[in-house]
Amino acid sequence: EVRIEQSGAEAKKPGESLKISCKGSGITFSTYWVAWVRQVPGKGLEWMGMIFVDYSESKYSPSFQGHVTFSADKSTNTAHLQWTSLKASDSATYYCARSAVTESSTSSYSYYRMDVWGNGTAVTVSS
Amino acid sequence: SSELTQDPAVSVALGATVTITCQGDSLNNDYASWYQQRPGQAPKMVMFDVDMRPSGIPRRFSGSRSGNVASLTITGAQAEDEADYYCHSGDSKSYQYVFGPGTKLTVL
Repeated sequence: EVRIEQSGAEAKKPGESLKISCKGSGITFSTYWVAWVRQVPGKGLEWMGMIFVDYSESKYSPSFQGHVTFSADKSTNTAHLQWTSLKASDSATYYCARSAVTESSTSSYSYYRMDVWGNGTAVTVSS
Repeated sequence: SSELTQDPAVSVALGATVTITCQGDSLNNDYASWYQQRPGQAPKMVMFDVDMRPSGIPRRFSGSRSGNVASLTITGAQAEDEADYYCHSGDSKSYQYVFGPGTKLTVL
């Protein structure tokens, strides 16, 4: 079965650190990017960025740069999202998704898509 | 600008056809992908590379593109199609992507 397993819900206090995980099962993250997506309750999806698992090369949305860190372990087919100091505004559900790429045959552009999604990790930050 | 715009809400009669659109500058050079999110569930990809349907997505879903507008069409909408739909696009050279604000589809 092809699926992505995400770690369980977390309840933290402001200022605490947190690392959540995203593990591929029946699929490989090798040669793929893994994207992270935030969804605040009742709101839309926000693309946080992505990490190329083979090289642990990360690309961050400006909205999240400097506040979160992506990491990956190719040997365990796992990606991680980490905070060193949580804020109440970080309360949300965080999804990871494998990001596949189609290389254009007629231009220098590439086309990304998120083809397999995890079920999300709910993070609650409250004092 | 990397922003995408979508109609906040659209409704369609059961069995009728509906088109959800997504507009943005990035769509001039990028192919949008589309995601369906039912209440309480994770998003699911329903279209990519303009008009490619992932395995398992019904044929009533189709995609198209014209200039800076991407469209997702459901021909013969079913009750289970009621969901939020998000487009996703960006710039592959800068690796910066965004989601549209989402369209809430109601099937009447």
